Amino acid sequence: DTGVSQDPRHKITKRGQNVTFRCDPISEHNRLYWYRQTLGQGPEFLTYFQNEAQLEKSRLLSDRFSAERPKGSFSTLEIQRTEQGDSAMYLCASSLETGGTMSLIFGPGTRLTVL
Amino acid sequence: AQSVTQLDSQVPVFEEAPVELRCNYSSSVSVYLFWYVQYPNQGLQLLLKYTSAATLVKGINGFEAEFKKSETSFHLTKPSAHMSDAAEYFCAVRSSLNTGGFKTIFGAGTRLFVKA
Repeated sequence: DTGVSQDPRHKITKRGQNVTFRCDPISEHNRLYWYRQTLGQGPEFLTYFQNEAQLEKSRLLSDRFSAERPKGSFSTLEIQRTEQGDSAMYLCASSLETGGTMSLIFGPGTRLTVL
Repeated sequence: AQSVTQLDSQVPVFEEAPVELRCNYSSSVSVYLFWYVQYPNQGLQLLLKYTSAATLVKGINGFEAEFKKSETSFHLTKPSAHMSDAAEYFCAVRSSLNTGGFKTIFGAGTRLFVKA
């Protein structure tokens, strides 16, 4: 296992289009997180999965955003009717909670540009 | 809710000079703290973590951080900067979720510039 992977690495789309990103976590990690990072800011929490269950969603995640993790493996993040304000780096991370230490392993991110 | 504040948005240092990146956290009974590093166009990588064991935590690449409860600080230090240390550094804290799990909350980041 070579770590967390994300696809695509870059996505340029026109306003109003739908986009979907994929994250493949480390196989034995049961927890998966999506974060969004804009220029000059730290990552902001979007949503969290434990196995296949989506347990929490941030208020940042509007109705246009949806995330899934079928069978507790890879995850997808879809943005419908994209807006210019959605332009950001979308980061996926996974972890294996042991004793509460929870170190996140991040993927390289998907950079979204909405024109 | 837990939070962290990174006091400097940018820190310039000369090569081989000591580095200190400052972070303060909101007070809590139990706190887990982290430092992550992000190189250009890459994801974040864990440098070190504090989990209520030793107050001086050693991480990768020669970095260390000291947990000071009286000052609610967790500053990141390195005795001698290398050009390869130039990156964005994020202080982070574990926060509980309503559903019983945890999430990590990040500071705004400090960009470290290393000058020759």
